[in-house]
Amino acid sequence: DQQVKQNSPSLSVQEGRISILNCDYTNSMFDYFLWYKKYPAEGPTFLISISSIKDKNEDGRFTVFLNKSAKHLSLHIVPSQPGDSAVYFCAARRNSGGSNYKLTFGKGTLLTVNP
Amino acid sequence: KAGVTQTPRYLIKTRGQQVTLSCSPISGHRSVSWYQQTPGQGLQFLFEYFSETQRNKGNFPGRFSGRQFSNSRSEMNVSTLELGDSALYLCASSFGGEGSLAFFGQGTRLTVV
Repeated sequence: DQQVKQNSPSLSVQEGRISILNCDYTNSMFDYFLWYKKYPAEGPTFLISISSIKDKNEDGRFTVFLNKSAKHLSLHIVPSQPGDSAVYFCAARRNSGGSNYKLTFGKGTLLTVNP
Repeated sequence: KAGVTQTPRYLIKTRGQQVTLSCSPISGHRSVSWYQQTPGQGLQFLFEYFSETQRNKGNFPGRFSGRQFSNSRSEMNVSTLELGDSALYLCASSFGGEGSLAFFGQGTRLTVV
């Protein structure tokens, strides 16, 4: 049962344009969401996060939007750069209410930004 | 500040053998989590240790086990290796409190032949 879904295995965009990566979740207990970026032969690195009490969080070129009613979040990268080419993982967890600190990941989306 | 260190980086084992992977967390971090990454399944949670105690466990068979030492370093053991255990094993460390961020190591690439 895939509780966090990234339905697009890959995405290709032109340098300078917007990249939009999507993520859906099914577990209504999730209240904290994160995006990680992963280059080949490296571990995932944290990119940006959002709490369920917010609907938007912005950090430079990266913005995450959360639609709780639709159980959907998206990561926007503007403008996209070739160095952004990587696999992006959406992750979710319960941030309170016990010792459930594990992250549940989607399968990832490979973003390719073409010069 | 040193990051999360995993050793070894690469490992080749034969089916039926057992393997031990090591993870040294960021200094001051008391929580260590382990994940398995495969092309078909993405990152899947194995278990989490905090102050030498297993605090969370994923849905993996008992062949997968771990432990944490008093210095927060952690080891993961897989016994009776199967071909399907071939994967990238990632370790993440955090302070362990609510809201604390997990930082990942580079992983150990295990190949079972």
